[in-house]
Amino acid sequence: AQSVTQLDSQVPVFEEAPVELRCNYSSSVSVYLFWYVQYPNQGLQLLLKYLSGSTLVKGINGFEAEFNKSQTSFHLRKPSVHISDTAEYFCAVSASSYNTDKLIFGTGTRLQVFP
Amino acid sequence: DAMVIQNPRYQVTQFGKPVTLSCSQTLNHNVMYWYQQKSSQAPKLLFHYYDKDFNNEADTPDNFQSRRPNTSFCFLDIRSPGLGDAAMYLCATSRAAAGTEAFFGQGTRLTVV
Repeated sequence: AQSVTQLDSQVPVFEEAPVELRCNYSSSVSVYLFWYVQYPNQGLQLLLKYLSGSTLVKGINGFEAEFNKSQTSFHLRKPSVHISDTAEYFCAVSASSYNTDKLIFGTGTRLQVFP
Repeated sequence: DAMVIQNPRYQVTQFGKPVTLSCSQTLNHNVMYWYQQKSSQAPKLLFHYYDKDFNNEADTPDNFQSRRPNTSFCFLDIRSPGLGDAAMYLCATSRAAAGTEAFFGQGTRLTVV
């Protein structure tokens, strides 16, 4: 069965500093991986996804993630964060249901950006 | 521009009083999902529809039901809400294809009093 683990529940960082949010996955089959962002009292918005091909994936708002098969990781990075990046970030893996895929989410990482 | 719309955004219901949350989509996606998200937790899938084919997660309580009268609309019915059902309920849609992303609504925050 597929699963994801987000190792950090909270990541505090100062504005303009780099940040890395960690995600490890478990899967016995080919994986599709996603990062979503959730602002307070909002739904989830896709940041980026990895399906195949290049292991470095670029997303919206300056975020990128690297798929590392040997380490079963899909860490999210941003070289310089803004106050507006303060949000909850969820890593997710796509798990096959019998007629479609469904997303299995990690427990989330709260990114808090300080001025 | 809104593609997945949930109504209402905030819902207060009484303990034991049936409540219905609604979701509509303009994306014409085959698949619609309902997730429950409790405070500071990951979204948890309750069930999903592939067209009219209903798929319940094994650990979804019987108290939760769903209806999908057509492609655009999907409803979540909570027959007898308990205090533990207070949560954010998220509706999402996707195409029926491997690795496709899900598009989420803004959620309905349910309070049970």
